[in-house]
Amino acid sequence: GNSVTQMEGPVTLSEEAFLTINCTYTATGYPSLFWYVQYPGEGLQLLLKATKADDKGSNKGFEATYRKETTSFHLEKGSVQVSDSAVYFCALREVTGRRALTFGSGTRLQVQP
Amino acid sequence: DGGITQSPKYLFRKEGQNVTLSCEQNLNHDAMYWYRQDPGQGLRLIYYSQIVNDFQKGDIAEGYSVSREKKESFPLTVTSAQKNPTAFYLCASSLIFKAGVSDTQYFGPGTRLTVL
Repeated sequence: GNSVTQMEGPVTLSEEAFLTINCTYTATGYPSLFWYVQYPGEGLQLLLKATKADDKGSNKGFEATYRKETTSFHLEKGSVQVSDSAVYFCALREVTGRRALTFGSGTRLQVQP
Repeated sequence: DGGITQSPKYLFRKEGQNVTLSCEQNLNHDAMYWYRQDPGQGLRLIYYSQIVNDFQKGDIAEGYSVSREKKESFPLTVTSAQKNPTAFYLCASSLIFKAGVSDTQYFGPGTRLTVL
């Protein structure tokens, strides 16, 4: 079956540091890949997505590239801010059938001023 | 503004009671989903519906029920058969996949259910 593995958190960084959150997946076919962000007590917000190999998703300074050869979709940001503190979820969407999302367990990011 | 609303934000249930969580969307999306989130874990699929009057079980459907009588509404009932219902419940919706049309899932703000 499908699965997503994320690095465990929390990840604690100082403001303006470089961020990488690793994400690898197992899936049949060629799923679409997503990063969602969750702020305390809120629902999930779509951060970025990629639908095919070598696609790069980007938004608000965050980037992730769909790497089929390594089955990875690592999230990066060059300079984090305190406001980026949240939980980040990597997810894949099934190609056929119910087209539901399979999520990783989430990585909490804490950015200190 | 288009979006997904969930109510209530917080819900308390006594053991043995059924409770219903509301999910409404005005995005004209075809598909709707219910996920459950437990602390420190990712989301797991409870039920989904791709068309009115039809719905399917997800990965953890036991102890839950749903209905889809209207396109914009997909309520979830947590029954007394659900052994460990305390969790954060998230509703999502998307268009049905068609060539050239994005079927990204968008999420509501969630309902936190606590069993007393």
